[in-house]
Amino acid sequence: NAGVTQTPKFQVLKTGQSMTLQCAQDMNHNSMYWYRQDPGMGLRLIYYSASEGTTDKGEVPNGYNVSRLNKREFSLRLESAAPSQTSVYFCASSALDTGIGGYTFGSGTRLTVV
Amino acid sequence: SQQGEEDPQALSIQEGENATMNCSYKTSINNLQWYRQNSGRGLVHLILIRSNEREKHSGRLRVTLDTSKKSSSLLITASRAADTASYFCATVTNDYKLSFGAGTTVTVRA
Repeated sequence: NAGVTQTPKFQVLKTGQSMTLQCAQDMNHNSMYWYRQDPGMGLRLIYYSASEGTTDKGEVPNGYNVSRLNKREFSLRLESAAPSQTSVYFCASSALDTGIGGYTFGSGTRLTVV
Repeated sequence: SQQGEEDPQALSIQEGENATMNCSYKTSINNLQWYRQNSGRGLVHLILIRSNEREKHSGRLRVTLDTSKKSSSLLITASRAADTASYFCATVTNDYKLSFGAGTTVTVRA
């Protein structure tokens, strides 16, 4: 059982370049999330999708867009990367709406913008 | 701003000792969760406590929740070197948003 799979694991971008981070889960979870983690800051929510077809902004959405492609996949796009977006990005999914368990996280994407 | 705040920021203990860390939050919650993160790795869910629960146990972990004080604590008993990690509390509001604190870094010395 793969859980939550994120690709790529590492990426270096030049300022102004664009890229899409991919996330897929195989647990039939309704809710999916994108977080960024910076040193000393914990994780901050960028966007989330409570169910297929819906997306909502989190704490730090500026500079990002998301797509909930289907129930399994939730992608995060940086249209014009900036050095301030250098971070580790985590995708997560949850069946919280069924009252079961916590969130399952992917292993992260380490992004550097130069 | 972040919903949860952990205290202390860092904790160093001897193997076999207990480790206690606290979390305070600001708004009403549906439930509160604790996660562990080993260096350079993803987060692992440890335990979930619902807003109508006051205490929960899982193995060597004990979590308490006081909704009147908007606070929670995580106790790790009989610590081991493998418990060295960062621990995060996370609150879930009724719109299913999970918000994290900045974490407590625990070092267990052999």
